Amino acid sequence: QVLLVESGGGLVKPGGSLTLSCAASGFTFTDYYMSWIRQTPGKGLECVSYMDSSGSAIYYAESVKGRFTISRDNARRSLYLRMNSLRAEDTAVYFCAIFSSQNWFDPWGQGTLVTVSS
Amino acid sequence: QSVLTQPPSVSGAPGQRVTISCTGSSSNIGSGYYVHWYQQLPGTAPKLLIYSATNRPSGVPDRFSGSRSGTSASLAITSLQAEDEADYYCQSYDSSLGVVFGGGTKLTVL
Repeated sequence: QVLLVESGGGLVKPGGSLTLSCAASGFTFTDYYMSWIRQTPGKGLECVSYMDSSGSAIYYAESVKGRFTISRDNARRSLYLRMNSLRAEDTAVYFCAIFSSQNWFDPWGQGTLVTVSS
Repeated sequence: QSVLTQPPSVSGAPGQRVTISCTGSSSNIGSGYYVHWYQQLPGTAPKLLIYSATNRPSGVPDRFSGSRSGTSASLAITSLQAEDEADYYCQSYDSSLGVVFGGGTKLTVL
């Protein structure tokens, strides 16, 4: 079955960097757009970034543009999110998900918690 | 403030029917962009419940149904069960903002 497993979350100081990974299995990875979505108690769900299989179509939310970089390694069936210049407001659970052509997310991974605090 | 507006909470007794509204605007739901619904059980990731306004993925009981009219959409849950207690989110696409979510609705089964 389709499985998405995130890793790489943790505690980081403001201004610091972190890279999240998402290992995919159970489907043809190159057939799908992949995405990162985050969830905070205060702001709810936010689509942070998504990309197509070749990297020719990439989206970033305004809140992370210029600080976060999405990438993927199709051979390793993995999705990444490099997060630089982290701020307290980036504190959230980060999920990876398949992003369908009709703009829904399914399925989601279990999430990884990123805490930005001094 | 979310682009899609949902009631913060709804409740119902077992066996009852509840509905959750999702109000958007002419730049998202009103433009014909599909609405999708997710169920998030406590401590778990969101799960796709309804896609393209009215369709259920396989495995989702037919007690769950969706509809759309104008700039709004609704999720209805009939024959409410204790295991339906969860947070529910609507999601669509906005011509200016991209992917947008509702703020979520907490369903309490009394």
